[in-house]
Amino acid sequence: EVQLLESGGALVQPGGSLRLSCATSGFTLQNFAMNWVRQAPGKGLEWASGIRGFGDTTYYAVSVEGRFFISRDNSKNTLYLQMNNLRPEDTAVYYCAKARYDCSGGSCYRYFEDWGQGTLVTVSS
Amino acid sequence: DIQLTQSPSFLSASVGDRVTITCRASQGVSSSLAWYQQKPGKAPNLLIYAASTLQSGVPSRFSGSGSGTEFTLTITSLQPEDFASYYCHQLHTYPWTFGQGTKVEIK
Repeated sequence: EVQLLESGGALVQPGGSLRLSCATSGFTLQNFAMNWVRQAPGKGLEWASGIRGFGDTTYYAVSVEGRFFISRDNSKNTLYLQMNNLRPEDTAVYYCAKARYDCSGGSCYRYFEDWGQGTLVTVSS
Repeated sequence: DIQLTQSPSFLSASVGDRVTITCRASQGVSSSLAWYQQKPGKAPNLLIYAASTLQSGVPSRFSGSGSGTEFTLTITSLQPEDFASYYCHQLHTYPWTFGQGTKVEIK
């Protein structure tokens, strides 16, 4: 059974830093693309960052690029999100999500198959 | 960035109703579109991927259709457990983007 468990959320002052972790089990982390998706209080979902499987190519939303850094430690089965220079608008529940990449009939599709329960980051003075 | 616009943003319906939610993309995304259901305080749950493929374990009253720039999620007979928020999600071009969501509430 796939399990994703986020941790590290906290109250932090503007300009501060925080590192989120997503402990994974039930699959081989390095074989799958992983993502961080956030949701501000009462708002919709926003994709923040992703890292490809079988490599370390990373991607970021414009809103976090240059401040957030995604990484993983395959030996620890853990995904990370290092968040620097935090702003009040970064306040959100942060979810890690495992992506699937399926191909059939000459077409390939991605989707977020599994999600963690989320961890709350609050940026406030 | 590819923008996804869902309509309606809010929907009031009764148990047994047929419900349709539309998602329009600002650029073509082929069939690289997924739908998720989210209940308050919970993580999103995958319903549909590749625009029309039902995720394993999802009831058959849910269906998806469309390609290119226009997509629909249909619930054929709304059940009490279906009252939730629904999001479309394009995975065609980075940055991945979500629609703003559709909240389905009890009439």
